[in-house]
Amino acid sequence: NAGVTQTPKFQVLKTGQSMTLQCAQDMNHEYMSWYRQDPGMGLRLIHYSVGAGITDQGEVPNGYNVSRSTTEDFPLRLLSAAPSQTSVYFCASSRQDSNQPQHFGDGTRLSIL
Amino acid sequence: SQQGEEDPQALSIQEGENATMNCSYKTSINNLQWYRQNSGRGLVHLILIRSNEREKHSGRLRVTLDTSKKSSSLLITASRAADTASYFCATDRSWGKLQFGAGTQVVVTP
Repeated sequence: NAGVTQTPKFQVLKTGQSMTLQCAQDMNHEYMSWYRQDPGMGLRLIHYSVGAGITDQGEVPNGYNVSRSTTEDFPLRLLSAAPSQTSVYFCASSRQDSNQPQHFGDGTRLSIL
Repeated sequence: SQQGEEDPQALSIQEGENATMNCSYKTSINNLQWYRQNSGRGLVHLILIRSNEREKHSGRLRVTLDTSKKSSSLLITASRAADTASYFCATDRSWGKLQFGAGTQVVVTP
């Protein structure tokens, strides 16, 4: 099993450009989420989904959109990139039960100039 | 806002020594989880301890939870160079929406 796969691994954007970070999992997990990790800080939750067609905001949702059309995929869209969105982005998935560990991808390192 | 706060921020030890790091949090939780992150990689789940549990073991790892003090500790016994990583605690208040601390950087020298 591949687990959680994120693409691309690295990306450089100019301010104002848009892009989509891809996340796919092959574990049939209902729950998926996106986090960002900034230097000196822990991960912060951007958006999450409890199943296909259902998404909700996390702690830092501004500037990001998500959709969940299938169980496997949970893309994160930056509509108009800003330098403050320079970060490392992690996707995670888990079973939709209480007390479940999260399975993380290896991250996308995004720089916005 | 960060729910978990780890202490210390950095820890340097020699192989064979034990490493202890602590995590404090602010509000009630369903569970508390510890993760490891190697440089340039994603987070790997180590241990999940539920709010009604006080101690849990997994191999060389021992986690304690004191809900009255809102704190947890992670002990790595007989450390190895491969244990060099950042360690994060994360609190789960509601269905997988984790709140992470800033992490403890552990360096184990041979």
